[in-house]
Formats: sequence, structure tokens, C-alpha cells
Amino acid sequence: GDSVTQMEGPVTLSEEAFLTINCTYTATGYPSLFWYVQYPGEGLQLLLKATKADDKGSNKGFEATYRKETTSFHLEKGSVQVSDSAVYFCALAAGGTSYGKLTFGQGTILTVHP
Amino acid sequence: EAGVAQSPRYKIIEKRQSVAFWCNPISGHATLYWYQQILGQGPKLLIQFQNNGVVDDSQLPKDRFSAERLKGVDSTLKIQPAKLEDSAVYLCASSSIQGPKNIQYFGAGTRLSVL
Repeated sequence: GDSVTQMEGPVTLSEEAFLTINCTYTATGYPSLFWYVQYPGEGLQLLLKATKADDKGSNKGFEATYRKETTSFHLEKGSVQVSDSAVYFCALAAGGTSYGKLTFGQGTILTVHP
Repeated sequence: EAGVAQSPRYKIIEKRQSVAFWCNPISGHATLYWYQQILGQGPKLLIQFQNNGVVDDSQLPKDRFSAERLKGVDSTLKIQPAKLEDSAVYLCASSSIQGPKNIQYFGAGTRLSVL
């Protein structure tokens, strides 16, 4: 079945450091890929998405590129801020019988120190 | 535009008791999802509705969990009887259409503790 694997966490960085959170997936067909963010005490919010190979999603300085050849969707940000501290989830939405259902990775906790 | 509303925010019960959660999706959203998020894990889909019909309930433990969306708008998820392993955050999400390209919007969730 479909699955998403994220890098082990937690990740601790200093402000203005470069961020990479790795995400790889297994799915049949051509899934859409998403990054969701969960701030403390809040629900999941969509951060960015990509719906086909080589698409780049971007938002709030975060970027991720849909790489079909490596089945990856790594999240990057050039300079993190304290306000970026949250839990980040990579997810895919597949077609076929699982139409629209989101399959999530286990989440990566990011803590940014001043 | 109002977001996805869920209540209650927190619930503490003893094992073998019953509990119900309520969700009101974004106005006009035909598709509604219930996810279970166990601490330290990503959310897992329990059930998906399209209007008032069930699209996918393959991961719903039907011996104890039930869900309904009678009028195609708000929805309730019930657990009866609860087990210790049901302790989790229950998330409701909605989207305007079905499909892998559509965005799901999430509520803040209901945190359930089963003692």
C-alpha cells in the first residue's frame, strides 16, 4: 500500500540556519504530494503542495520539489525563524480506490532557538 | 470564511465508556474525513464521506467505532466502548471535491484520553 517516510527527528536548529527535512514515498500511479505544518495547540495547516513530477511547491520561504525518479519530496528553507518551530508532516494523496485519501508520514518536530 | 469546527477540544473518559465527537466542515464542502492521530505518529484516515455517503471506511474499527453524516453537512464520530489504545487526537477535515489534487482543511481536533 501507499506509505510516506520522513527523516527521524526531532530537529533542532539555530535561527537563520538552513533546514532540510527528508521525505520519500511509495505509491502506485501519480500521487499528489503535500507538506502540512502543525503549530502547538492548532490543527494541521497546508504548507505547500505539488501535483505532478518536477513541480515545485513553495510558501513562506519553504520549498519542496516533486522528484518522481527518487520518489522524494524534501522540504527546505534557507533561513529558519523561531516562529517556524512546529511539527511538519509529509503526505500523499493517491488516485484509484484511495481517491483523495491522505497518507501521512510520522512527522518531524522542528525546534528553532534564537 | 469559517474553518472546520470540532467539539469538544478535550475529553477524558474511563475505558469501556462511550464518547462522541462532532465536526462541522467548511460551508459547501462535500467531502468530510475523520483521522486518528496517535501521539508521535501521523494522522491515519478512519472514514471518508462524500455528501452523506461513505467512500472509504476500510480503517475504521467497526466493532467499536461508528460515524454518520446524515444531512451531508456536519458529522459525528462515536466510540463505544472505548479502549486504552483509543487515546489520540481525532481530526476532522473537509474538502470541496474528492480527488488527489484537492486540498483538505483540518479542524483543531479533539484530544481523547482513555483512563
